[in-house]
Amino acid sequence: EAQVTQNPRYLITVTGKKLTVTCSQNMNHEYMSWYRQDPGLGLRQIYYSMNVEVTDKGDVPEGYKVSRKEKRNFPLILESPSPNQTSLYFCASSYSSGRSYEQYFGPGTRLTVT
Amino acid sequence: GENVEQHPSTLSVQEGDSAVIKCTYSDSASNYFPWYKQELGKGPQLIIDIRSNVGEKKDQRIAVTLNKTAKHFSLHITETQPEDSAVYFCAASGGLYNFNKFYFGSGTKLNVKP
Repeated sequence: EAQVTQNPRYLITVTGKKLTVTCSQNMNHEYMSWYRQDPGLGLRQIYYSMNVEVTDKGDVPEGYKVSRKEKRNFPLILESPSPNQTSLYFCASSYSSGRSYEQYFGPGTRLTVT
Repeated sequence: GENVEQHPSTLSVQEGDSAVIKCTYSDSASNYFPWYKQELGKGPQLIIDIRSNVGEKKDQRIAVTLNKTAKHFSLHITETQPEDSAVYFCAASGGLYNFNKFYFGSGTKLNVKP
């Protein structure tokens, strides 16, 4: 089954404790992206990757890091989480330009930082 | 960067009626406009998309129209059914300086009353 998986699905942590949210896709997509969803703000793009070792900032990259060492994986790293990073996070993947732009979203990770 | 505005934020219709959701965008170079449906507890899912070289696209009960001059696009759902109840997001991509980024609207919660 074609899918995007995220782990963990729920996470409660404390300010300053480094964490990683994993994302994996099995569709051989070049493009992967991270979004955060907050009430009234829709989805905002954090980082995206066009392919292995190619990453770039989205609209709200502050406080986040990413890496793309393998095509299927795109982890999101919060090195020193703060309460304003409490949010619902989605990973997505798609083919890059020239094919379908449809993004397939993971089930989401709900993060609470106290 | 791009700014996407979406209206209304909530929409309540009777089963069988039509629903229209509108979005405006600011970057005239944007050229790809997808619509996503998000059901409770799930990630968004693409329902229809349109590129800037097309003015209208239809898929069964769902249609999207694009007015490049006015920089707005709309989602039309006809013969609404209770299962259409969800949050809908518009998005824009492909702008001059943000070609690979996606900008989402703030979402519309559609409630279809049986």
